[in-house]
Amino acid sequence: GEDVEQSLFLSVREGDSSVINCTYTDSSSTYLYWYKQEPGAGLQLLTYIFSNMDMKQDQRLTVLLNKKDKHLSLRIADTQTGDSAIYFCAGYFGNEKLTFGTGTRLTIIP
Amino acid sequence: GAGVSQSPSNKVTEKGKDVELRCDPISGHTALYWYRQSLGQGLEFLIYFQGNSAPDKSGLPSDRFSAERTGGSVSTLTIQRTQQEDSAVYLCASSFWVQETQYFGPGTRLLVL
Repeated sequence: GEDVEQSLFLSVREGDSSVINCTYTDSSSTYLYWYKQEPGAGLQLLTYIFSNMDMKQDQRLTVLLNKKDKHLSLRIADTQTGDSAIYFCAGYFGNEKLTFGTGTRLTIIP
Repeated sequence: GAGVSQSPSNKVTEKGKDVELRCDPISGHTALYWYRQSLGQGLEFLIYFQGNSAPDKSGLPSDRFSAERTGGSVSTLTIQRTQQEDSAVYLCASSFWVQETQYFGPGTRLLVL
């Protein structure tokens, strides 16, 4: 099956940029997604990128897609305490099931 | 408009009892998905519906788990004879069509004592 990998943990100082990375093995997903999960909550859709794009910017969020390397990243500029959460990348890789990465827990250091 | 809603938000039950979890998708969304998230773990796909039919039941962990969707809207996930390992957060999501953007509900936190 599809393998979607993320680092488990990331710590960033408040005000710095956070970069969360995701790698996958199958490049067939038309869209690739980033979801945010705060403690005790469901998943919130943050942003997504169409597979024929290299970059998408949405306010403090920048998504980069390197199809050759099968690498997706999410950059959060000026990281705030409210950005503390688990971030999941996801995509439909050849079937109707959305496959999620393992999730990256982002911790903000004051 | 209204998002995906789930009920109950929390459920505590005794081992061996049956539980029903409900999901109300976004109006007009034809696809509905159930996931399970155990403490500190990622998301485990359980089942999805396109309309009222479930083309893929491969993720259901055992025959104690079943789900149905009637009228192309509300879905119920039933767990019979609950076990302690069933304790988890059960998340529901919906999308306009299959392979489109999924929107998640807040989840039902199930604790089996």
